[in-house]
Amino acid sequence: QQQVKQSPQSLIVQKGGISIINCAYENTAFDYFPWYQQFPGKGPALLIAIRPDVSEKKEGRFTISFNKSAKQFSLHIMDSQPGDSATYFCAASTPNDMRFGAGTRLTVKP
Amino acid sequence: DVKVTQSSRYLVKRTGEKVFLECVQDMDHENMFWYRQDPGLGLRLIYFSYDVKMKEKGDIPEGYSVSREKKERFSLILESASTNQTSMYLCASSLSGANVLTFGAGSRLTVL
Repeated sequence: QQQVKQSPQSLIVQKGGISIINCAYENTAFDYFPWYQQFPGKGPALLIAIRPDVSEKKEGRFTISFNKSAKQFSLHIMDSQPGDSATYFCAASTPNDMRFGAGTRLTVKP
Repeated sequence: DVKVTQSSRYLVKRTGEKVFLECVQDMDHENMFWYRQDPGLGLRLIYFSYDVKMKEKGDIPEGYSVSREKKERFSLILESASTNQTSMYLCASSLSGANVLTFGAGSRLTVL
């Protein structure tokens, strides 16, 4: 049973559009919520992360929105570019346990 | 540039063979992990290690074992490979108590 549910499984967005990927978790002990980006042939790499004491974190075109009461968080990619095409994984963790979502394959069409 | 290196990127093995997947990190990280990546299932933890000679089972340890004789090296062993172990295997490391994982590029294993 997955502790972190991620949707959608795949996403196609036009260049310049907004990509939105959603995740939900159950375990309220999670205290760190990272997003990893994986390009073909590479391992996942940390993209952006948030702790539950803030509702939003922005780094360039990437924003995490966090809703603690709903136990949901999402990644927004503004002005999506073809170079953003990758698989994105959300995760939720405590210091000793990290759980990943199933992944979203994002394709940004030129 | 810090690195987690998985020496075998692509392997093809036959059912019943013993398979070794090697992982080396140069960051002096205490924690090391082995994940399995399958489409639609995300990353599932097989084993992890918090220190040399220590190991803990993850969510799917059946059919796997690990070895950590040196801090920088963490090996995943398939004692008798089966076709359902065909997958991408990812090694990762982190500092003790830290949430950030650094992943290797992965080892794609095909078992025929």
